[in-house]
Amino acid sequence: DAGVIQSPRHEVTEMGQEVTLRCKPISGHDYLFWYRQTMMRGLELLIYFNNNVPIDDSGMPEDRFSAKMPNASFSTLKIQPSEPRDSAVYFCASSFRAEASGELFFGEGSRLTVL
Amino acid sequence: EDKVVQSPLSLVVHEGDTVTLNCSYEVTNFRSLLWYKQEKKAPTFLFMLTSSGIEKKSGRLSSILDKKELFSILNITATQTGDSAIYLCAVGRGNKLVFGAGTILRVKS
Repeated sequence: DAGVIQSPRHEVTEMGQEVTLRCKPISGHDYLFWYRQTMMRGLELLIYFNNNVPIDDSGMPEDRFSAKMPNASFSTLKIQPSEPRDSAVYFCASSFRAEASGELFFGEGSRLTVL
Repeated sequence: EDKVVQSPLSLVVHEGDTVTLNCSYEVTNFRSLLWYKQEKKAPTFLFMLTSSGIEKKSGRLSSILDKKELFSILNITATQTGDSAIYLCAVGRGNKLVFGAGTILRVKS
């Protein structure tokens, strides 16, 4: 299996622009997580899905952030409009365990820079 | 509020040294504690611990959990430069993981 695949790997954009990050989880995994990592705050959970349904979005910082999972093999995280403080590495991770307090498999991340 | 606290924040050692990394937590509905190693890219899984007192080992790395005192340690013996990384502790709460800030380990040759 190719692992969790994220795109783009790097994105540089200007404040106010829309940003869309994409994720393909490992086939057969029924949990998908979006995390954000910064030096100041470490790894923060933004939202997670179970069987394509959003379960907990309490970590989504503001209404500017939205996430979708239209099918089992694809998810997007959108920021509109983007701001400099959104600059971070965004990780997607997936898990196959029924209780997802087990091992997460991470993608290589999307490094976002908002100027 | 759930808390996962790692110490030290950073550490510099020489090759061959032994290091101990600490993770304490206050999490409701505890399920598991996991250790990850993060080099330049994605975190990679090291251990998952669910029971107190049972040591998990993988080569030079070992870890143990104390559910009464709410902490875990990760030991690395005979460190090598390839051990340089951020070590992340995560606690399973319900169906999600809460991560600590990490310990930055640098091993000098």
